[in-house]
Amino acid sequence: NAGVMQNPRHLVRRRGQEARLRCSPMKGHSHVYWYRQLPEEGLKFMVYLQKENIIDESGMPKERFSAEFPKEGPSILRIQQVVRGDSAAYFCASTAKRRETQYFGPGTRLLVL
Amino acid sequence: DAKTTQPNSMESNEEEPVHLPCNHSTISGTDYIHWYRQLPSQGPEYVIHGLTSNVNNRMASLAIAEDRKSSTLILHRATLRDAAVYYCIPQYGQNFVFGPGTRLSVLP
Repeated sequence: NAGVMQNPRHLVRRRGQEARLRCSPMKGHSHVYWYRQLPEEGLKFMVYLQKENIIDESGMPKERFSAEFPKEGPSILRIQQVVRGDSAAYFCASTAKRRETQYFGPGTRLLVL
Repeated sequence: DAKTTQPNSMESNEEEPVHLPCNHSTISGTDYIHWYRQLPSQGPEYVIHGLTSNVNNRMASLAIAEDRKSSTLILHRATLRDAAVYYCIPQYGQNFVFGPGTRLSVLP
């Protein structure tokens, strides 16, 4: 049973470009959570999605960031017009049901030059 | 606001038990207590979780205080591979709130 998969594992972008991060949940899981981790800090919740719905986006910056989880395919976290402060590790986690134990992917490390 | 307190760092010798404490005084009666660990350059890895009574699995044991305001993760025999940051996460509502965790060093 494959775990949570994220790609790319590393992403380099120049300021002003767009970054697209993908997350494929574990088989049978329909709930996805995105987190951001700055160096030497804990993970910060960004957004919680269920198939085709955003349930909680209270941790998402109001501008430039968006997330989706379509009926088919992976969940995508999109960052438009990236800035250096967006450099971080982005993790996604998945569950089969709400409030269950979350299983995390290996993360995408975004570097903005 | 929800608040969790853990030591910033701890050290252990290899093959000795380790007790990692956590205070979560604002937890409610229905919130589970989860523990995860994160190795360098990896995603958080689930360790154990519990609600009221003590829990054991192949990785660790979780001792939960009777008033649920604190818990202790117990690694029975630390190995070098257990060196990681350990996060205690009371589940407030549907989201996990990560603190800075405890960085565990294991000495050979």
